[in-house]
Amino acid sequence: EIVLTQSPGTLSLSPGERATLSCRASQSISSSNYLAWFQQKPGQAPRLLIYGASSRATGIPDRFSGSGSGTAFTLTISRLEPEDFASYYCQQYHGSPWTFGQGTKVEIK
Amino acid sequence: EVHLAESGGGLVQPGRSLRLSCAASGFTVSDNYMSWVRQAPGKGLEWVSVLYSGGSRDYADSVKGRFTISRDNSKNTLYLQMDSLRDDDTAVYYCVTNGLGTSLAYWGQGTLVTVSS
Repeated sequence: EIVLTQSPGTLSLSPGERATLSCRASQSISSSNYLAWFQQKPGQAPRLLIYGASSRATGIPDRFSGSGSGTAFTLTISRLEPEDFASYYCQQYHGSPWTFGQGTKVEIK
Repeated sequence: EVHLAESGGGLVQPGRSLRLSCAASGFTVSDNYMSWVRQAPGKGLEWVSVLYSGGSRDYADSVKGRFTISRDNSKNTLYLQMDSLRDDDTAVYYCVTNGLGTSLAYWGQGTLVTVSS
């Protein structure tokens, strides 16, 4: 099983600041880069932001970007908008079972 | 437009069974990967099961032998039969389908399953 470790657990930032979220895999998924990022707000279903490590899903603003390969991946939010304060999860679909990271909460400082 | 609507959640005693349904619209269930993902209260996301378009299935170890995923093509609906339920199966269960080159692209709003005596 591929274990995904996200850091930090909580990120306290102000609107307009840059957010950098990390996701590390216990083994390489570089052959496929099958790594996705989701945003989840309280009481709502997760929403796909990024797939294939760096491709934005339909309708996702360009302030969200994904990067990385192998075992190290990053989600960057260039300038935080009020609606971006939420929890974020990475997920790998390279191998079974599909697994998620434990999440990073981005909160208002 | 892809739409997924889960139903069937509720309060159930440990050891009992429950069947969740997911009615799909905007696409054909049998043409896609269909998955269940759950989230325990205040916790993270956990993939539960997938049914591939070819009919093969896969399950998380935590539910293997207790849960069964299936679909009814005539109703364009996905199911999750949950047997021998345990307290730690308490969660919101989401129905999810693939798209955009990824496995978990479109999500339903979820249905809450509470296992408690």
